[in-house]
Amino acid sequence: SQKIEQNSEALNIQEGKTATLTCNYTNYSPAYLQWYRQDPGRGPVFLLLIRENEKEKRKERLKVTFDTTLKQSLFHITASQPADSATYLCALFTGTASKLTFGTGTRLQVTL
Amino acid sequence: DAGVIQSPRHEVTEMGQEVTLRCKPISGHDYLFWYRQTMMRGLELLIYFNNNVPIDDSGMPEDRFSAKMPNASFSTLKIQPSEPRDSAVYFCASSLARVNYGYTFGSGTRLTVV
Repeated sequence: SQKIEQNSEALNIQEGKTATLTCNYTNYSPAYLQWYRQDPGRGPVFLLLIRENEKEKRKERLKVTFDTTLKQSLFHITASQPADSATYLCALFTGTASKLTFGTGTRLQVTL
Repeated sequence: DAGVIQSPRHEVTEMGQEVTLRCKPISGHDYLFWYRQTMMRGLELLIYFNNNVPIDDSGMPEDRFSAKMPNASFSTLKIQPSEPRDSAVYFCASSLARVNYGYTFGSGTRLTVV
């Protein structure tokens, strides 16, 4: 069966460190992958999109990698700040399904 | 632009009642999506529209759910009759395109059916 797996346990890191979140998938061949941020009581906010033929994408302190062989995407936040605390969702788009399917998200907590 | 606007923000209703959720997408966005979010199942796509036409409603859980988009600036999701298991947060999102673009989500409607 198709699965998108994100660590359900919260990730706690210290301010200034690099946070790394993982998105693994099985039985998908995504054309591209997206990362979103969701704060409590709010809708997800789009952060980055990476295509299947791209290895890495950067935006300010954010970096996303996409390894179609490992079927994995890593999402990095460098120099993390307490304001980065939120739930981060990965989402896959596959041509066959023609829709964006979301993982359940990983909660990041950045402490002082 | 004010973003995607959903109403109401919270809805509490009794089992068996009709519930209507509303969404105003971003002007110029050709695609509109309705998602449902629960702790157990995460975000699930219910239905999406392109240029006001429903394209894929395979995610609609059952006939009690219906969605319409009478014009480019308004969509509704209706549940009739509502059941306690429909309790969830319902999100509307819009996008310039179905592929290769991020989706802009509204703040959601938290529905509680008692």
